[in-house]
Amino acid sequence: GESVGLHLPTLSVQEGDNSIINCAYSNSASDYFIWYKQESGKGPQFIIDIRSNMDKRQGQRVTVLLNKTVKHLSLQIAATQPGDSAVYFCADPAGYQKVTFGTGTKLQVIP
Amino acid sequence: DTAVSQTPKYLVTQMGNDKSIKCEQNLGHDTMYWYKQDSKKFLKIMFSYNNKELIINETVPNRFSPKSPDKAHLNLHINSLELGDSAVYFCASSHRGARNEKLFFGSGTQLSVL
Repeated sequence: GESVGLHLPTLSVQEGDNSIINCAYSNSASDYFIWYKQESGKGPQFIIDIRSNMDKRQGQRVTVLLNKTVKHLSLQIAATQPGDSAVYFCADPAGYQKVTFGTGTKLQVIP
Repeated sequence: DTAVSQTPKYLVTQMGNDKSIKCEQNLGHDTMYWYKQDSKKFLKIMFSYNNKELIINETVPNRFSPKSPDKAHLNLHINSLELGDSAVYFCASSHRGARNEKLFFGSGTQLSVL
């Protein structure tokens, strides 16, 4: 079936370095993606989204890249900080009222 | 002010018991959801309600019964709890429940069935 998956379950990054979290999707019809951040003991929180008519979208210290050819997207975090430590999910909200979440990548920031 | 609030935060109970989790949102959203997150952090939708009407029921055992008294509240009652029900349950809401909607999540209820 259709799925949204991540390549790496855990990513360790030195504080101040850039982080890249990857996500692969299989539904060719998907035209909108959302990245969520889930801190320990909290619910997922919206970070940034991107529509399929874009290749790149930038936020504050975060950038999402979308490659529709290989059905891949990535979340880049610049100058990673301890507060960035969390589990990151890519999500495909293409289904009516039904969002498909990827398996999540845990980002550990090393001080 | 908390946008989506759910209680309790932690719930520890014995197998076979019945328990409820409550959820309220003050965002004025029309659609509310229950998600289950397992120990590997996988998030799976259980139910979706739009204006108090059940829209999605994702093959959840009928021991789970959601109830929406109004569009700002969606409670989850679980009968005859089983060990496999142990997980974190998240309530969420969105504006219309249409495609391409952001979800707003509560902080979760960690259910431990002993």
